[in-house]
Amino acid sequence: EVQLVESGGDVVRPGGSLRLSCAASGFTFDDYGMSWVRQAPGKGLEWVSGIDWNGGSTGYADSVKGRFTISRDNAKNSLYLQMNSLRAEDTALYYCARGWNQDFDYWGQGTLVTVSS
Amino acid sequence: EIVLTQSPGTLSLSPGERATLSCRASRSISYSYLDWFQQKPGQAPRLLIYGASSRATGIPDRFSGSGSGTDFTLTISRLEPEDFAVYYCQQYSSSPVTFGQGTRLEIK
Repeated sequence: EVQLVESGGDVVRPGGSLRLSCAASGFTFDDYGMSWVRQAPGKGLEWVSGIDWNGGSTGYADSVKGRFTISRDNAKNSLYLQMNSLRAEDTALYYCARGWNQDFDYWGQGTLVTVSS
Repeated sequence: EIVLTQSPGTLSLSPGERATLSCRASRSISYSYLDWFQQKPGQAPRLLIYGASSRATGIPDRFSGSGSGTDFTLTISRLEPEDFAVYYCQQYSSSPVTFGQGTRLEIK
């Protein structure tokens, strides 16, 4: 059974940093690109970042480019999102999803990031 | 970036009725890299339709997708109580990946 479990969400002050993790199981992790998608409270879905199977190619939404860094450790079946210079508008539930330049066919349950002073 | 515009914003129907949801792209989507997701309150999105018209694993056949180029449609042939949710279209034909703003399907 495919499972994606996010962690690392927290309350952080504007300008602060946070690192999200996504633990994957139930499939061959390095066969797939992966993505982070966020959803602000009461709003729609916004793709944040994606990474190919070996980390050789990454992509970012303009809203996070230069502040967020996506990475993966295939030996640990894990996906990461380093978030720096956080802003109030980054407040959202962050989902890990299997897929990038392919269908997003499995999603985790999300981890909540709140940016507030 | 490709902007996806979904209509209507809210659709009010009764169980047993047919639902037709639209997703229009600001420019053509290559190879039909257009997917549909369902999201219920407090849950993660679930993939319903991939490649514009193929049902994902375990999705009932009352859900169907169609379209190409810039115009895509999700149809639910006979609504069941569990189908009332928010539906999103998404494209990955062109970077960045983008989602539509969603259509809320509510019980009339």
